[in-house]
Amino acid sequence: AQSVSQHNHHVILSEAASLELGCNYSYGGTVNLFWYVQYPGQHLQLLLKYFSGDPLVKGIKGFEAEFIKSKFSFNLRKPSVQWSDTAEYFCAVTGQAGTALIFGKGTTLSVSS
Amino acid sequence: DAGVTQSPTHLIKTRGQQVTLRCSPKSGHDTVSWYQQALGQGPQFIFQYYEEEERQRGNFPDRFSGHQFPNYSSELNVNALLLGDSALYLCASSWRALAGGGRNEQFFGPGTRLTVL
Repeated sequence: AQSVSQHNHHVILSEAASLELGCNYSYGGTVNLFWYVQYPGQHLQLLLKYFSGDPLVKGIKGFEAEFIKSKFSFNLRKPSVQWSDTAEYFCAVTGQAGTALIFGKGTTLSVSS
Repeated sequence: DAGVTQSPTHLIKTRGQQVTLRCSPKSGHDTVSWYQQALGQGPQFIFQYYEEEERQRGNFPDRFSGHQFPNYSSELNVNALLLGDSALYLCASSWRALAGGGRNEQFFGPGTRLTVL
């Protein structure tokens, strides 16, 4: 069965530090990859997505992610975090399970100013 | 343009009771998916409705059922509530999800927080 693993449960950073959140998925076939973010008190919203083509994708608010097929990974990065990036981040995939999003457990990012 | 709306915001029930949660999709969307998010976990897919039919189902028992109406809004019903059903229930809408092969963005609502005592 398809699954998504997020290795970091809670990440604490100071403003201006660089961020990388790990995401690995289990399915080797064609997949669609997503990162969603949930800011405190807000809805889940899409940060970025990858379907095909250039494995480095850029999303909103300066976030980017790199798809590495050989490692089944889709890590999220940001060169310099801000206090406003404090949120919960979820990696998700669709593919074998059809159009249903399969989510990881999420990573809580806390950024101190 | 209103996004995805859900009602009620919070709900408290006791074991064995039944509950109905409601969702109105984003304008122009025709597909509604429901997810359960337990505390400290990522959302888990329950089922998806398109053209008033359940098109996909996750690993949830038959106690979980749903409905989609001609105006694309949807209901999630849970019978014989268990303590373990306590969670945030999220509704997500998209346009032509099946035709998009899982690529079409799903827009999420704020969720309904269900507490089962």
